Amino acid sequence: EDKVVQSPLSLVVHEGDTVTLNCSYEVTNFRSLLWYKQEKKAPTFLFMLTSSGIEKKSGRLSSILDKKELFSILNITATQTGDSAVYLCATPLYQGGSEKLVFGKGTKLTVNP
Amino acid sequence: SQTIHQWPATLVQPVGSPLSLECTVEGTSNPNLYWYRQAAGRGLQLLFYSVGIGQISSEVPQNLSASRPQDRQFILSSKKLLLSDSGFYLCAWSGDSGFNQPQHFGDGTRLSIL
Repeated sequence: EDKVVQSPLSLVVHEGDTVTLNCSYEVTNFRSLLWYKQEKKAPTFLFMLTSSGIEKKSGRLSSILDKKELFSILNITATQTGDSAVYLCATPLYQGGSEKLVFGKGTKLTVNP
Repeated sequence: SQTIHQWPATLVQPVGSPLSLECTVEGTSNPNLYWYRQAAGRGLQLLFYSVGIGQISSEVPQNLSASRPQDRQFILSSKKLLLSDSGFYLCAWSGDSGFNQPQHFGDGTRLSIL
């Protein structure tokens, strides 16, 4: 069965801490892994990873994929209260001529001042 | 640039009433369109997707239906809502130029059934 598992499910840290969020996956014909940040409304796209070992970086956020061990991590350094959100990872599953995203349940990150 | 609009933002409906949620995309043509539901404490579940006008694929059996009357319009409907239909409904789009493109989400509709 195709699935995406995220850990931890929730995390509480203080401003300035560094956090690592985990995402493991099992999917037929893997092509990419995506990270999203969801605050109160729409998930916003962060990264799409297709190749192992190549880090993607945007400001204090970075992510890397390990296709051998079937996981990805999302790192956030020097966390701020604005980083508080649910972080979702997902991988596309292709069937019937189209694709759907299979999502994990998310990691709820709370950054306290 | 591309934008996606969903409305209404929140909706409170009695059991047994009909439903119509609308989603439109601007700034792109022939997008792939998706409806997801996010229940409390659970991940996003794909309900419907569409690769073109009139082409709808359903992921899970339910009392919801979807339609795509225009290229950039996607509608989620129900004739009679159930309590279990409560949740956060998200519309998303992705480009049609091959797969492996990220999906981009609207702001969602929070639906409460009383």
